[in-house]
Amino acid sequence: SQQGEEDPQALSIQEGENATMNCSYKTSINNLQWYRQNSGRGLVHLILIRSNEREKHSGRLRVTLDTSKKSSSLLITASRAADTASYFCATDSSGTYKYIFGTGTRLKVLA
Amino acid sequence: ETGVTQTPRHLVMGMTNKKSLKCEQHLGHNAMYWYKQSAKKPLELMFVYSLEERVENNSVPSRFSPECPNSSHLFLHLHTLQPEDSALYLCASSYTGTGNSPLHFGNGTRLTVT
Repeated sequence: SQQGEEDPQALSIQEGENATMNCSYKTSINNLQWYRQNSGRGLVHLILIRSNEREKHSGRLRVTLDTSKKSSSLLITASRAADTASYFCATDSSGTYKYIFGTGTRLKVLA
Repeated sequence: ETGVTQTPRHLVMGMTNKKSLKCEQHLGHNAMYWYKQSAKKPLELMFVYSLEERVENNSVPSRFSPECPNSSHLFLHLHTLQPEDSALYLCASSYTGTGNSPLHFGNGTRLTVT
């Protein structure tokens, strides 16, 4: 079964609005990561949050982690058209180096 | 420039062909991965090589055969593929040590099996 599942599957917002994506996972983890993928390209790492952290910021990105609920959220503030992409969470299954990804959230930011 | 280079970018092959995908990383990482990305499915971890250990997903068919001659190079040998094997194949690398590093991906090989 899948380790990470993102929600919603697709999200369409206006430029300047905030975008929130959620991720749920099943097993214990050492860290959770968020990645971005532009169409037909490889994934690019955005941010890593460790299991003992609750919140992390990087520029316009804010990630939270709730290990009791086995969930994480990615917030992109003041979105831009260039943020249009798919976003994936990945977890290191049971603390190993084998990262498991979900199906992703397709974000479309309208100019 | 991602630090992880995959060739070819596109590949069309018949079901009876044999081909290989190549991946090279220049980041000094000690683990390399093959992922398969099909439409509307999660990325599927196929194989991991780390510190000369190979870990594989038991659901990957034997028509996919990985090879990792050193920590910088990774191959995926393909033979007698099926149309459902058409997908984007992504290579990634990372450092597996204290505090595992993020994955660095190549731009993938778009494979079409006819």
